[in-house]
Amino acid sequence: QVQLQESGPGLVKPSQTLSLTCTVSGGSILSGGYYWSWIRQHPGKGLEWIGYFYYGENTYYNPSLKSRLTTSVDTSKNQFSLKLSSVTAADTALYYCARGPWMSRGVILTWGQGTLVTVSS
Amino acid sequence: EIVLTQSPATLSLSPGDVATLSCRASQSVGSYLAWYQQKPGQAPRLLIYDASNRASGIPARFSGSGSGTDFTLTISSLEPEDFAVYYCQQRSNWLFTFGPGTKVDIK
Repeated sequence: QVQLQESGPGLVKPSQTLSLTCTVSGGSILSGGYYWSWIRQHPGKGLEWIGYFYYGENTYYNPSLKSRLTTSVDTSKNQFSLKLSSVTAADTALYYCARGPWMSRGVILTWGQGTLVTVSS
Repeated sequence: EIVLTQSPATLSLSPGDVATLSCRASQSVGSYLAWYQQKPGQAPRLLIYDASNRASGIPARFSGSGSGTDFTLTISSLEPEDFAVYYCQQRSNWLFTFGPGTKVDIK
């Protein structure tokens, strides 16, 4: 059974870059059939899609974040990563990585437990 | 961007009651609408996908209906573990979006 685990600093200073990694276990990013995603949830608020990709295909970013986003994949470690630059307090959120079936992209079957990132000086 | 609105914001019910949650899209999403349940301290869990298909392991008391712009999640008889926040989410286009959520709490 695939499991996802987010990791990264819990505190980031304003204007700096937020960096998170999602480690996948029990399944391979390379195996195909699934898309991989980042989603965030502001404290006490709803959910916001950040972006998603299918390995070897395009990456799709939320236009509201696209100019500040960089994502990457490390297949040797079975990890994918997110970098969000020039952060402000508005980027304080619980960040999830997730997986779903590519043929039903948009449906999320597996979520990480989430990692809280606070932007504060 | 397709905007989803959910009503009501909060639903106060008792165990055994029927819960009816609504989700409306700003434009047609066909049947590409899902429902997720989220409990405090947990990640969301998929309940329904493509408007009316129950995800694996989801009890039959959860059902979804609708198409186009208007959708409903029905919980036929609330169990204590069903008190949670419910989100709808569309995947009609490449920019997936979520609704703001409906909290089902104990009356």
